[in-house]
Amino acid sequence: EAGVAQSPRYKIIEKRQSVAFWCNPISGHATLYWYQQILGQGPKLLIQFQNNGVVDDSQLPKDRFSAERLKGVDSTLKIQPAKLEDSAVYLCASSLLLQGSYEQYFGPGTRLTVT
Amino acid sequence: GQQVMQIPQYQHVQEGEDFTTYCNSSTTLSNIQWYKQRPGGHPVFLIQLVKSGEVKKQKRLTFQFGEAKKNSSLHITATQTTDVGTYFCAAPSGGSNYKLTFGKGTLLTVNP
Repeated sequence: EAGVAQSPRYKIIEKRQSVAFWCNPISGHATLYWYQQILGQGPKLLIQFQNNGVVDDSQLPKDRFSAERLKGVDSTLKIQPAKLEDSAVYLCASSLLLQGSYEQYFGPGTRLTVT
Repeated sequence: GQQVMQIPQYQHVQEGEDFTTYCNSSTTLSNIQWYKQRPGGHPVFLIQLVKSGEVKKQKRLTFQFGEAKKNSSLHITATQTTDVGTYFCAAPSGGSNYKLTFGKGTLLTVNP
């Protein structure tokens, strides 16, 4: 089966600019996650969707980050305006909504550099 | 919130040596997962442990869940260069099995 797709793979922007990332999860996966991974650290959850509804966005900096998952499939994550500390890899992951099976499947990520 | 501590942060071994990474939680966990991330890659799911004292093996990898379900370990026997990467444990948080908190990971490098 096809994996989680993300684009773009790399993005360089200047601070105060805006940027958007796109994710297409594995077909049939109801749950979709966006993570931020700063170099040398583990992934940090930003937002979790179940179908097209937000389950958890407690760690999303809502003054500058936004995300949506229209129609419960693809998702976009936007940063506006970007700050230097937003430089990181943004990972999208998806999982089945299946009791007892909680593994997540990650996409290749988007490496964002803010200058 | 939920925190998982991983040690060591780095481990460098000679090819053929064994490697172990440990993960500790201050609270009892319903399950724990392990992921591997190759340099420049993305995390890949390895295994999920659910039962107290559970031990699972995948070829040269042995995963263990503590009796109190507060700690876990990953042991690699006779490391190979293909084992290079960062190994993360991840635990449920916020009362949901679908929301994970990742440890900081252990970076394993292997000298051929």
